[in-house]
Amino acid sequence: DIVMTQSPLSLPVTLGQPASISCRSSQSLVHSDGNIYLNWFQQRPGQSPRRLIYEVSNRDSGVPDRFSGSGSDTDFTLKISRVEAEDVGVYYCMQGTQWPRTFGQGTKVEIK
Amino acid sequence: EVQLLESGGGLVQPGGSLRLSCAASGFTFRSSPMTWVRQAPGKGLEWVSTFSGTTSNTYYADSVKGRFTISRDNSANTLYLQMNSLRVDDTAIYYCAKDWNFGYWGQGTLVTVSS
Repeated sequence: DIVMTQSPLSLPVTLGQPASISCRSSQSLVHSDGNIYLNWFQQRPGQSPRRLIYEVSNRDSGVPDRFSGSGSDTDFTLKISRVEAEDVGVYYCMQGTQWPRTFGQGTKVEIK
Repeated sequence: EVQLLESGGGLVQPGGSLRLSCAASGFTFRSSPMTWVRQAPGKGLEWVSTFSGTTSNTYYADSVKGRFTISRDNSANTLYLQMNSLRVDDTAIYYCAKDWNFGYWGQGTLVTVSS
């Protein structure tokens, strides 16, 4: 199984400041079709998860452009350019390249 | 608008069975892969099972293989998860999600396995 490792697991941030979450996979996430199926999800307190980013860097509809994804092969990053209060929650990366699908442990973003 | 509505959760004793449903609307259900993901209380997300769209391929996590069965009724736009031989560590919120990479999620249904 591909192991997804996120860091940090807790991220206190100041409103208006940038934030960055790292996600590393134990194997390359390059699929045989050439795509990289690395996704990012946000789970606000008390809510269902919501996908923010698919295939490394594509923002889902309605996702603010302060969220961006980057990376390649085994090393990926989610960045928030300026954190807002509504960004509080837990963020998960997930690989969709191989079965079984696997998630990172989650990174809890909170306001300082 | 895509909508996914799970139901069927509840309290069940260890060794018991439960069937979850996910009613879908707002998209072409029959061609869409559908997935169950669970989240134990205070824990992270765990993929459980996926049913492909255009084929009948199914995929399971090792933790549920042989105990859980995913199925779908395309005429009713509904996804199911039959859960047998339930264990205490199956206690979780169960979400259904759309597409290979979980682009849409339902609100979840809570399954509690306890004596």
